[in-house]
Amino acid sequence: DAMVIQNPRYQVTQFGKPVTLSCSQTLNHNVMYWYQQKSSQAPKLLFHYYDKDFNNEADTPDNFQSRRPNTSFCFLDIRSPGLGDTAMYLCATSIGRDEKLFFGSGTQLSVL
Amino acid sequence: AQKITQTQPGMFVQEKEAVTLDCTYDTSDQSYGLFWYKQPSSGEMIFLIYQGSYDEQNATEGRYSLNFQKARKSANLVISASQLGDSAMYFCAMRADNYGQNFVFGPGTRLSVLP
Repeated sequence: DAMVIQNPRYQVTQFGKPVTLSCSQTLNHNVMYWYQQKSSQAPKLLFHYYDKDFNNEADTPDNFQSRRPNTSFCFLDIRSPGLGDTAMYLCATSIGRDEKLFFGSGTQLSVL
Repeated sequence: AQKITQTQPGMFVQEKEAVTLDCTYDTSDQSYGLFWYKQPSSGEMIFLIYQGSYDEQNATEGRYSLNFQKARKSANLVISASQLGDSAMYFCAMRADNYGQNFVFGPGTRLSVLP
């Protein structure tokens, strides 16, 4: 019944070691988002895809990249994680401009 | 610029009582949507309720209702008959038509329901 699935639930990586987080959806929504949420803070949008169109937020570090090979999957790549990248990463989807976001359960990333 | 303010970092409520979580917003757009999400300790963001800027009636979803006061730019969440499972972080969010696909989230309110 899960609609937005994120793997893994927990990820530990070393400083500077590339890491990839994955998100899949069974909703066939055309918009997919990646949010970063640090402890006790609100989610912050990193980027989103509207179909194949990639939209990067102005303040998203270059260290963060994303891929969307098809409608169902979206990946977040962190090329050289720093200690400050420790956070919960939330994937979300929506269909249309006025629709709510459907969130996955998140991946908690720890950079050591 | 769009901005959401939630002035209550933490709230306590007794089980079975009602509680109001405050949210004010700032936007120059005429068309926008307001959302409330619940985030339990597990981390998943759960959609609760939606209010469109042109909706004349306050939204309701089960025990959740949204007290929408457009002139004051406030969209407070009312939870009736609180349950222990309501203990969580609550985020108010806004999507404005002229702001693309982005949701702007408030800082959140941590609600604790006491037995």
